[in-house]
Amino acid sequence: SAVISQKPSRDICQRGTSLTIQCQVDSQVTMMFWYRQQPGQSLTLIATANQGSEATYESGFVIDKFPISRPNLTFSTLTVSNMSPEDSSIYLCSAGGQGNQPQHFGDGTRLSIL
Amino acid sequence: GESVGLHLPTLSVQEGDNSIINCAYSNSASDYFIWYKQESGKGPQFIIDIRSNMDKRQGQRVTVLLNKTVKHLSLQIAATQPGDSAVYFCAETIYNAGGTSYGKLTFGQGTILTVHP
Repeated sequence: SAVISQKPSRDICQRGTSLTIQCQVDSQVTMMFWYRQQPGQSLTLIATANQGSEATYESGFVIDKFPISRPNLTFSTLTVSNMSPEDSSIYLCSAGGQGNQPQHFGDGTRLSIL
Repeated sequence: GESVGLHLPTLSVQEGDNSIINCAYSNSASDYFIWYKQESGKGPQFIIDIRSNMDKRQGQRVTVLLNKTVKHLSLQIAATQPGDSAVYFCAETIYNAGGTSYGKLTFGQGTILTVHP
């Protein structure tokens, strides 16, 4: 199964700033995804990171707030822009979905906004 | 919209007992289901999956049962151990027309499993 690494693992940021989260997969994957998990809650999909084209965003999430890059088949970034305390959450990257392979997840980025 | 839900948000068992975690799903078009385990400070870890053409699938100490008639999924853990303590999520998705890939997962709310020694 793919090994997924996220950086940073956690951060504390000031209101109004932006943070870029990196996701690296140890093998080429067709599909990568970004999820948000608010404290004590389940996972909600933010967007599908498409290689070579714009990400596909879910309802309630917009590109201006969560720009995503996918320059190749092993790497993606998620930026959380103009952060507010409501953005305090865990952001998770996943990869997979090809054939019979399940999606695997990184350990997430724990983000706190002051 | 479509959603996946759980009947029991918390489950507390004694070490050695069997555990059953339940999940109800509402999208009858879903044809692939996955159970994940999430420990504190970690991302979800794949446990077991099942396609909709199956009713039951077994792994090591875990069994997933799928009842498409009532849109119900369960995870059974045999001889539960303290290391099984975690949050368990079910997730559903739909394969593409060719059955070669699937996309986004819809997650249930999660069940907190606590195993007492």
